[in-house]
Amino acid sequence: RKEVEQDPGPFNVPEGATVAFNCTYSNSASQSFFWYRQDCRKEPKLLMSVYSSGNEDGRFTAQLNRASQYISLLIRDSKLSDSATYLCVVKTSYDKVIFGPGTSLSVIP
Amino acid sequence: DVKVTQSSRYLVKRTGEKVFLECVQDMDHENMFWYRQDPGLGLRLIYFSYDVKMKEKGDIPEGYSVSREKKERFSLILESASTNQTSMYLCASTQGGLAGINEQFFGPGTRLTVL
Repeated sequence: RKEVEQDPGPFNVPEGATVAFNCTYSNSASQSFFWYRQDCRKEPKLLMSVYSSGNEDGRFTAQLNRASQYISLLIRDSKLSDSATYLCVVKTSYDKVIFGPGTSLSVIP
Repeated sequence: DVKVTQSSRYLVKRTGEKVFLECVQDMDHENMFWYRQDPGLGLRLIYFSYDVKMKEKGDIPEGYSVSREKKERFSLILESASTNQTSMYLCASTQGGLAGINEQFFGPGTRLTVL
């Protein structure tokens, strides 16, 4: 089993839709969690950290379920500019992070 | 803004050639990383470095070596390039310290093709 797994995608959604991505991780001792965004032919950039109590940043909501070992990212009111690959990232120890394979999102006019 | 630069965006080499990929960051970050990214596999860590002259193997170090002679520069070396090393190579840096790895800042990537 891979250490970090994500929905296979691709997700093709119309503008204005709500879309949710899930990510599961295998190491129960994992410490920190992040969502990165990677545009086509660009480098990954941090979208948001994921806190235990859940957190929101505008149209984006991240949640963590430690008992089930998954994190989620919800995007409301999708925009064309949200089209990208979303990478789930798990920090398993002081010095180790694992990137998931990513989920591709296309928002369609 | 943190800036991480990589020496080339696109590189084409032949099997058996020695390849150098260079990465420079301008924010005095302690930690630097080299990843490769392949479709369906995500980013996989090749090597990382906590400090000058220090290096640690990542998950897939075979066929690669690294050099960190200065804090701002981290080089990835393919001693004898092979076709299975065709990939996107991404360099990243992050502050170190007690918090360990947090936000990583990536360079634009080098797409290497080995013929």
